[in-house]
Amino acid sequence: DTAVSQTPKYLVTQMGNDKSIKCEQNLGHDTMYWYKQDSKKFLKIMFSYNNKELIINETVPNRFSPKSPDKAHLNLHINSLELGDSAVYFCASSRSGTGPYEQYFGPGTRLTVT
Amino acid sequence: SQQGEEDPQALSIQEGENATMNCSYKTSINNLQWYRQNSGRGLVHLILIRSNEREKHSGRLRVTLDTSKKSSSLLITASRAADTASYFCATNLDYKLSFGAGTTVTVRA
Repeated sequence: DTAVSQTPKYLVTQMGNDKSIKCEQNLGHDTMYWYKQDSKKFLKIMFSYNNKELIINETVPNRFSPKSPDKAHLNLHINSLELGDSAVYFCASSRSGTGPYEQYFGPGTRLTVT
Repeated sequence: SQQGEEDPQALSIQEGENATMNCSYKTSINNLQWYRQNSGRGLVHLILIRSNEREKHSGRLRVTLDTSKKSSSLLITASRAADTASYFCATNLDYKLSFGAGTTVTVRA
């Protein structure tokens, strides 16, 4: 009965590779997010989708491409991985409309680029 | 840049004591939220306070908000070992949450 799940939990890969992280929520939420948490624990929004439509796109390299096949899924594809991409990536979801609403986070995917 | 900044960065207290941490932010907000992150886990929502509210309680948690000073505080009363975690404030404006770097709280048994 996991609310927001991410796969994989750990991802170790070499520079230049392409990788994807998957996220699924079973809360019936309309809005999903991707965050990046660096080694100093700073958590920064990357993208947000509402009903499969991109609504937030922060200053993120275009090597990062989110894809939302339906409102319960938001995947993150990263091309040409760089050392600086090493971080923990969190997916989150929330209700939308007249809020405010809290966000529900997944367990995170620790990406290590060597 | 980060919207919220928590103070202190780290806090160590004895079980049973109270823990207070502060958050300052820079711009207007719709609401402010506090989250907890246990080591190696995702964030868990604790409490939300709207911009027109000054104080809110939830169990052992008490949050204050002073929009004139652009600051908030989180008080955890009668701390327990299970409260050991990092605590983040997040300001919410236009559906976007902006997080601070967090306060790491260690509760000693």
